[in-house]
Amino acid sequence: SQTIHQWPATLVQPVGSPLSLECTVEGTSNPNLYWYRQAAGRGLQLLFYSVGIGQISSEVPQNLSASRPQDRQFILSSKKLLLSDSGFYLCAWSVRTGRSQPQHFGDGTRLSIL
Amino acid sequence: RKEVEQDPGPFNVPEGATVAFNCTYSNSASQSFFWYRQDCRKEPKLLMSVYSSGNEDGRFTAQLNRASQYISLLIRDSKLSDSATYLCVVNRAGGGNKLTFGTGTQLKVEL
Repeated sequence: SQTIHQWPATLVQPVGSPLSLECTVEGTSNPNLYWYRQAAGRGLQLLFYSVGIGQISSEVPQNLSASRPQDRQFILSSKKLLLSDSGFYLCAWSVRTGRSQPQHFGDGTRLSIL
Repeated sequence: RKEVEQDPGPFNVPEGATVAFNCTYSNSASQSFFWYRQDCRKEPKLLMSVYSSGNEDGRFTAQLNRASQYISLLIRDSKLSDSATYLCVVNRAGGGNKLTFGTGTQLKVEL
């Protein structure tokens, strides 16, 4: 069966520090991969979307970037964190087919910026 | 108009009650629909897909009305463990497997 791993679970970082969150998927090949952010009491905002190695689509202009160095690895990064980057970050995967498929989420990373 | 709209609730219901949530979506070209459940401070988890003819999974029934662009979720015989936020999810038309998540309806099942 497929599993998705995301770490760390919790992170406290000072303003201006760098960020690297990692996500890996097991048990499937060629997945679509996603990074979302959920602010407190808000809905999920799609940040990045990837259909393959090195292929990243950004949904909103922001202080973050994403990379996909391997088929089942997705990384979210920032060079200098802002206070507004606080939130609950979720990685997700889906099967890549012609019709929209449900997405399956990792446990999430709760990021607090001080 | 928001792409996906839900009543935020909370819906407070006694154990054993039947409760229904509704959701409307704005893009008539959307083809795929889902309900997710999100527990407090946890990741969303797929509850069920929603099919055109309606579908049932145990105590949960989902319905789709394309003409009115309306999706519903019915929970029968509510359990305390059903307490969560229920997210209505619709695919974005225009290619790519991108989904739009509603902000959710909060359900609290009480003794």
